[in-house]
Amino acid sequence: DAMVIQNPRYQVTQFGKPVTLSCSQTLNHNVMYWYQQKSSQAPKLLFHYYDKDFNNEADTPDNFQSRRPNTSFCFLDIRSPGLGDAAMYLCATRRTRVTDEQFFGPGTRLTVL
Amino acid sequence: QQQVKQSPQSLIVQKGGISIINCAYENTAFDYFPWYQQFPGKGPALLIAIRPDVSEKKEGRFTISFNKSAKQFSLHIMDSQPGDSATYFCAASMVSNTGKLIFGQGTTLQVKP
Repeated sequence: DAMVIQNPRYQVTQFGKPVTLSCSQTLNHNVMYWYQQKSSQAPKLLFHYYDKDFNNEADTPDNFQSRRPNTSFCFLDIRSPGLGDAAMYLCATRRTRVTDEQFFGPGTRLTVL
Repeated sequence: QQQVKQSPQSLIVQKGGISIINCAYENTAFDYFPWYQQFPGKGPALLIAIRPDVSEKKEGRFTISFNKSAKQFSLHIMDSQPGDSATYFCAASMVSNTGKLIFGQGTTLQVKP
């Protein structure tokens, strides 16, 4: 089945130790998003890509970076995770810039010790 | 202007009852209004969505009512079931822009058997 896949589903890292989360999609969608969702809060957009064009939200911390090496894959790098970065990280896709539906992956739960 | 306000924060309904969740927005440039259902530890799943050119959309037990002049929209869940117990997020976006979803704060619904 076509879908949005996130790996790993659970990630534990130590304070300050870099971590990479991955997202892949078999939908062949042009647009990919990374959202951060803290406990009992709504998802908040960090970045999005239209194809290879990268768009950073103004309030996304510099500690967060992203890479999209090809259409199918997108990575979220957290250079020096702090305790406040513990959250669910959600990847989403959208077919094109003018279609409306966004499809979310299952998320990666990040714990920072 | 980018905010979407959602109420109530939590809702308890008896099985078979009607669940109603309300959202209000300010930015008249929003042109897509989805509702997402999220179970604990899972990513949000698109439930139903509406564009501002219609006042109501129904899919099975789920109905969106949209009031453009009041800048409000609501989700009605008819014949609520225990399996509907989840967190519901309304959202809004400008499809022709980044498609960034602005989420409401979420409503935790509990349907009692």
